[in-house]
Amino acid sequence: GAGVSQSPSNKVTEKGKDVELRCDPISGHTALYWYRQSLGQGLEFLIYFQGNSAPDKSGLPSDRFSAERTGGSVSTLTIQRTQQEDSAVYLCASSLSGGWEKLFFGSGTQLSVL
Amino acid sequence: DAKTTQPNSMESNEEEPVHLPCNHSTISGTDYIHWYRQLPSQGPEYVIHGLTSNVNNRMASLAIAEDRKSSTLILHRATLRDAAVYYCILAGSARQLTFGSGTQLTVLP
Repeated sequence: GAGVSQSPSNKVTEKGKDVELRCDPISGHTALYWYRQSLGQGLEFLIYFQGNSAPDKSGLPSDRFSAERTGGSVSTLTIQRTQQEDSAVYLCASSLSGGWEKLFFGSGTQLSVL
Repeated sequence: DAKTTQPNSMESNEEEPVHLPCNHSTISGTDYIHWYRQLPSQGPEYVIHGLTSNVNNRMASLAIAEDRKSSTLILHRATLRDAAVYYCILAGSARQLTFGSGTQLTVLP
């Protein structure tokens, strides 16, 4: 595709349910990043993938959060037993090789936990 | 990673130049200076980046102080579509970019 694609664009769930958020990076980009942004706040780093491996999981806020990437392409961020404080926009970005070239961001998934 | 300091907000008139400052007094010699902007309801968008020399592209210019402890993003002619939050970020040893709170730019017609 032309850009980073995220789905769904909006997700409303009940507290305690599991959710899966999907990111489809730009074709050929080996580096993939997940961030989240709470209302009115800056971006919080969650996890970084280089290919299928995740050398940096330091930002995952709890063990309820996990992410995987398969085939060096699509990534899924899973949140188990969602809590109200998980409500935020989850943003995915990709870059060509993970160096200091520019990141391309998707439009995000707005997650609302009721 | 070293921290950056930006004003919380700035205003500019349409069609006039805008200078967005960023202080990074603890920058290390290998830190790149990146600028991104985030329009309402969108993900951040790359603007420009540099290491030591001033940089120009179709979107903006980046002026870097000689001691690299500060930099300025210059929008040559602000338009209403430039209203956004502008983030100044140092890219150092960590693989991820750490976004601060940025500067909210308001462009007045």
